[in-house]
Amino acid sequence: DTAVSQTPKYLVTQMGNDKSIKCEQNLGHDTMYWYKQDSKKFLKIMFSYNNKELIINETVPNRFSPKSPDKAHLNLHINSLELGDSAVYFCASSQTGPGEQYFGPGTRLTVT
Amino acid sequence: LAKTTQPISMDSYEGQEVNITCSHNNIATNDYITWYQQFPSQGPRFIIQGYKTKVTNEVASLFIPADRKSSTLSLPRVSLSDTAVYYCLVGDSMEYGNKLVFGAGTILRVKS
Repeated sequence: DTAVSQTPKYLVTQMGNDKSIKCEQNLGHDTMYWYKQDSKKFLKIMFSYNNKELIINETVPNRFSPKSPDKAHLNLHINSLELGDSAVYFCASSQTGPGEQYFGPGTRLTVT
Repeated sequence: LAKTTQPISMDSYEGQEVNITCSHNNIATNDYITWYQQFPSQGPRFIIQGYKTKVTNEVASLFIPADRKSSTLSLPRVSLSDTAVYYCLVGDSMEYGNKLVFGAGTILRVKS
């Protein structure tokens, strides 16, 4: 059973389009995250939700909007896609507090 | 959050012990030290976490001196499959989740 899953794995789209990436975790964790890894391989946190509540919102353009319908899901919607949005997006989950975060396989977004 | 400094890359041979040192001079009292491993095209994977002294699990050991300004990840008898990027992270235990700040990481290349 996959602990943290993301769909789609690959996403190729044109500038200006709106797209969504879905994430689901079956670990019973109460905190979920979105990270972005750019071409230079730096991994940066974007958002974090705890029990469906937004708790971390880094300096991310308003075009990015996370949505958590329930504790097990955290989706990422991106409006008006730009070339600079091309990256690998990772979803992760954890229990509250210190300890390991479990990462999904990533979604490679390519904006042309 | 404390900034970490690691070597950019390291080379080793199969069967050797590998020690990767991380500097975190500004570590705060509440900060934990966590190491993650990332293979190409995969999400990071938790290796080990510690607060002080020594922590050992089935994969690695983590050595933390008394001043906690550095830490060393020790991988015993590496194999080719240990070739990956290793990230040292320092962060506090927020009540609602742990904000991980990834640095550039250390590229470990294991040769036969």
